[in-house]
Amino acid sequence: KAGVTQTPRYLIKTRGQQVTLSCSPISGHRSVSWYQQTPGQGLQFLFEYFSETQRNKGNFPGRFSGRQFSNSRSEMNVSTLELGDSALYLCASSLASGRAPGELFFGEGSRLTVL
Amino acid sequence: GQQLNQSPQSMFIQEGEDVSMNCTSSSIFNTWLWYKQDPGEGPVLLIALYKAGELTSNGRLTAQFGITRKDSFLNISASIPSDVGIYFCAGRGFTSGTYKYIFGTGTRLKVLA
Repeated sequence: KAGVTQTPRYLIKTRGQQVTLSCSPISGHRSVSWYQQTPGQGLQFLFEYFSETQRNKGNFPGRFSGRQFSNSRSEMNVSTLELGDSALYLCASSLASGRAPGELFFGEGSRLTVL
Repeated sequence: GQQLNQSPQSMFIQEGEDVSMNCTSSSIFNTWLWYKQDPGEGPVLLIALYKAGELTSNGRLTAQFGITRKDSFLNISASIPSDVGIYFCAGRGFTSGTYKYIFGTGTRLKVLA
């Protein structure tokens, strides 16, 4: 079955702009989470959505937001981009959420460069 | 942000050698996952562990869920050049008031042919 699909794969923006990234989870997965990966900070949790509801949120400023649609597809948005937002943004999907353990499958990521 | 202690940070090994790496946490986890990530790609799930003491293999890879539920180990036997990459652990548990995955700092593996 198809894996997690993220678009776009690469994008370049300038400071002050905003960006929207898209993620389509594995069919049947209702949990989608987003992570920021940078060389210095590693993989940092942004937020998790399950059945269109935000379940968890990481320690990122309000400029980072997301949503999930009824078909489980998710988008994340970053407004007023800063140079430090340059990173690989990874989306992951899972069957489970909350207390239930489960496997986490990642997409190939969206590489954002802010100039 | 929160990260798990993963060691070693990097290692150079000869082809054919065995590799061991581990992750430790101050929190108890109910799931341990191990991933491999190639440059410019997303992490690929290698092994999932759900019970303390569980030992699971995937080809030449073997991982264990530590008895204390605060650590996990990954072994790669008879390494080959395509094993090169960054290996991450991820633990899931109740942290800062919510259930979430926390990732290790990564082990960069280089295999010399």
